[in-house]
Amino acid sequence: AQSVAQPEDQVNVAEGNPLTVKCTYSVSGNPYLFWYVQYPNRGLQFLLKYITGDNLVKGSYGFEAEFNKSQTSFHLKKPSALVSDSALYFCAVRALNSGNTPLVFGKGTRLSVIA
Amino acid sequence: DGGITQSPKYLFRKEGQNVTLSCEQNLNHDAMYWYRQDPGQGLRLIYYSQIVNDFQKGDIAEGYSVSREKKESFPLTVTSAQKNPTAFYLCASTPPTGPGDYGYTFGSGTRLTVV
Repeated sequence: AQSVAQPEDQVNVAEGNPLTVKCTYSVSGNPYLFWYVQYPNRGLQFLLKYITGDNLVKGSYGFEAEFNKSQTSFHLKKPSALVSDSALYFCAVRALNSGNTPLVFGKGTRLSVIA
Repeated sequence: DGGITQSPKYLFRKEGQNVTLSCEQNLNHDAMYWYRQDPGQGLRLIYYSQIVNDFQKGDIAEGYSVSREKKESFPLTVTSAQKNPTAFYLCASTPPTGPGDYGYTFGSGTRLTVV
């Protein structure tokens, strides 16, 4: 069975500081990993994905994520946080080559960037 | 512009009443999904459909029903059997996996409240 863990319910960071939102996963075979962001009362928006290739994936709004196979992690990072980055962030996984089987989502991490 | 439209944005249900949430997409995506979002619980899968006239139960299908008579439409009915329906409901669709795949496209959600 597939699963995603986001160990932090809330992450607080000062504006201009680097941020990290953690994600670990469990899947049979190779993973297909995603990060999404959600603003209040809105749907989720795609940030970035990892299929294969470079372990450092760059995405929208200056975000990037590092895939670590040995630690089964896919942490989201940004070098310099903005107040506008404050939102709810979700990590998701499914097995690669599993067709359109549903993504499994973590419980989300609320990021608060303080000016 | 292509996208997913969910309606209504807000919905109020009386005890014992069935209500239907609409989800329409013009992205020509085969697969569509319904998730329920509750605070602190992330996204939980209700139903999904990978092709017209076919759908599968997700993790929390009890008290819900769906249909997929057209590729563009995947309505969700919340029946009176669902005892705790107050939540934020998200519809999503996805293209086939590949280089242009960015996972799900989400609608803006429907907030259902029992009154």
